[in-house]
Amino acid sequence: EAGVVQSPRYKIIEKKQPVAFWCNPISGHNTLYWYLQNLGQGPELLIRYENEEAVDDSQLPKDRFSAERLKGVDSTLKIQPAELGDSAVYLCASSQTGLDGYTFGSGTRLTVV
Amino acid sequence: DQQVKQNSPSLSVQEGRISILNCDYTNSMFDYFLWYKKYPAEGPTFLISISSIKDKNEDGRFTVFLNKSAKHLSLHIVPSQPGDSAVYFCAASVGGGADGLTFGKGTHLIIQP
Repeated sequence: EAGVVQSPRYKIIEKKQPVAFWCNPISGHNTLYWYLQNLGQGPELLIRYENEEAVDDSQLPKDRFSAERLKGVDSTLKIQPAELGDSAVYLCASSQTGLDGYTFGSGTRLTVV
Repeated sequence: DQQVKQNSPSLSVQEGRISILNCDYTNSMFDYFLWYKKYPAEGPTFLISISSIKDKNEDGRFTVFLNKSAKHLSLHIVPSQPGDSAVYFCAASVGGGADGLTFGKGTHLIIQP
């Protein structure tokens, strides 16, 4: 069984440019999470989806970040425009419900220069 | 305000000895606790968990102890092996984890031969 797939693995962009990350969760997993992990820190939740509905986006900086999960499967996370402080690893996780099968992807490491 | 704290950024242990990683939490609503292991350039992988109704859970070389009154948990690895060298994250959740996980900053465990 394939795990949570994220792409790209690495991305380097100039500040003020847009960037998008993609996540394909495990098949059958209804819940999808995006986390942000800064260097030396633990992952922090950005947004949680139940199927296609964003049920918790309270930690998502909505002025520049957006996310979508069309058809309740794949998800994209976008930053526009990127700032230097956005350099971090962006992790996607999925689960069937709650903690059942909770699995992380390998993450996308973003560097903004 | 960090709700999950791992106060040791790093820990060095000799191969074959016991590794003890500590975690403290402040939110009394947390009812489920997890340990994740993370290698460089990979996402966190689930290691072991414990419900707040228990005080100990064991899985092979890994044992997690929970002291609710002290709001403290620990992960014991016996015996420690070179492959255990990684960053270990303590995480906590409320009500089955559907709201996402709250992570500590992690402890970098180094197993010395």
